[in-house]
Amino acid sequence: GAGVSQTPSNKVTEKGKYVELRCDPISGHTALYWYRQSLGQGPEFLIYFQGTGAADDSGLPNDRFFAVRPEGSVSTLKIQRTERGDSAVYLCASSLTGTGFYEQYFGPGTRLTVT
Amino acid sequence: QQPVQSPQAVILREGEDAVINCSSSKALYSVHWYRQKHGEAPIFLMILLKGGEQKGHDKISASFNEKKQQSSLYLTASQLSYSGTYFCGTANSGGSNYKLTFGKGTLLTVNP
Repeated sequence: GAGVSQTPSNKVTEKGKYVELRCDPISGHTALYWYRQSLGQGPEFLIYFQGTGAADDSGLPNDRFFAVRPEGSVSTLKIQRTERGDSAVYLCASSLTGTGFYEQYFGPGTRLTVT
Repeated sequence: QQPVQSPQAVILREGEDAVINCSSSKALYSVHWYRQKHGEAPIFLMILLKGGEQKGHDKISASFNEKKQQSSLYLTASQLSYSGTYFCGTANSGGSNYKLTFGKGTLLTVNP
C-alpha cells in the first residue's frame, strides 16, 4: 500500500518568506506527527494530530510555526517569516492511532533550506 | 530527556554481530527502533512495549529492561544492507505516550 508522502521534497526559500509543507498520511491512520531533523540528530517532535485537532503542539519552536489538518487526513505545516535556523529536514509520520503502542511510519521528508 | 545511544558509531565486516544500546532517564511505555539511510526516511524496525510485548522484524531482535529504562538492539550476521543510522525513540509512561523522543543515532557501517 501507499506510504506517507510529502511534498515538496526540497524547498529553497529566502529569509523572511512564507512556506507550506504538505503531508499525506497512510490511509486510515488517524494520528499524524511532524518532526524536524537537523544534520547529525534524531527527529525532534513538533506537533501531533489526532483526527483534525492538534492534540499536542508543544514542540513547535515559536509562533511562526503552525500546522493544520482540516479534514483529518492531509496536513500542512506552515512557517512564517522563515529564518536560516529553520533549515532542516521536516519529517511527517502517521500511525493507526496516537499511542506509543503503534508504530509510526515516516515519510521521505521535505528538505527546507533558508538562504 | 533525550535517550542516550551507544556506541555513536560502529564498523563491521559482513557477517559480524553488533549491539546498539539506548538508555533513558524516564520511565518508559515503549521503545521504537528505526534505521535511516542517508537522505531517506527512517524505516520502522521494532517496538518494545512495557510488559514484554514486541512487534517488528523477524530477523532483528531487541530487549527492553523496564526497570533500568534501557533497550538494546541486536544485529546478527550483519548484511551490507544493514548499513545506516539507527535511532531509538522512547515514549514515556503517562498521558503523552504518543510522543517519541529520539536519540542522536548510531552510525553502523557494514563492509564486505
